[in-house]
Amino acid sequence: AQTVTQSQPEMSVQEAETVTLSCTYDTSESDYYLFWYKQPPSRQMILVIRQEAYKQQNATENRFSVNFQKAAKSFSLKISDSQLGDAAMYFCAYSLRDDKIIFGKGTRLHILP
Amino acid sequence: ETGVTQTPRHLVMGMTNKKSLKCEQHLGHNAMYWYKQSAKKPLELMFVYNFKEQTENNSVPSRFSPECPNSSHLFLHLHTLQPEDSALYLCASSQGQGNEKLFFGSGTQLSVL
Repeated sequence: AQTVTQSQPEMSVQEAETVTLSCTYDTSESDYYLFWYKQPPSRQMILVIRQEAYKQQNATENRFSVNFQKAAKSFSLKISDSQLGDAAMYFCAYSLRDDKIIFGKGTRLHILP
Repeated sequence: ETGVTQTPRHLVMGMTNKKSLKCEQHLGHNAMYWYKQSAKKPLELMFVYNFKEQTENNSVPSRFSPECPNSSHLFLHLHTLQPEDSALYLCASSQGQGNEKLFFGSGTQLSVL
């Protein structure tokens, strides 16, 4: 069965600094999708970034980028120039094509002013 | 605002009550989902509807009864719940099913006394 593991329940970073959130997953498939979702205090989860496993190039969205290591089954999220609005729960997720999305337990990120 | 609206935002109910959660999406999506979010646990997929047809029931107890009258509306009818059912219930929608980007509502925080 596919699983998603986020080993850091909580993290803190100074405003304007860079932080990396870790995620590992377990699968025997080669074609799949990986996601990072953000859940701010408003509770509304928002997609931050999406990676297709067959693409070697790491996805980026402005200050957010991923380090996708397929062989190691690792999918970390890097947030550069951290801002107060980045404070949230971050969920790593996995899915096969046309299949349900499996989420990790989340990492709560605190931004220190 | 992602175009997915959930009501009520908060709900307190006794174990003998019957209540319903409502979700509405204004995005023209074809798939709608119910998720359960409990503290320190991964998001649990409960039900999936695709073109109004239920395509997934993730072994959810019968005290939770979903209804999808059309592609824009999704309900979760609750009856004789248990205290362990207290959680945040999130609705989501997507254009298609599977690895598509999910759009979430703000959830209903449910407390069962």
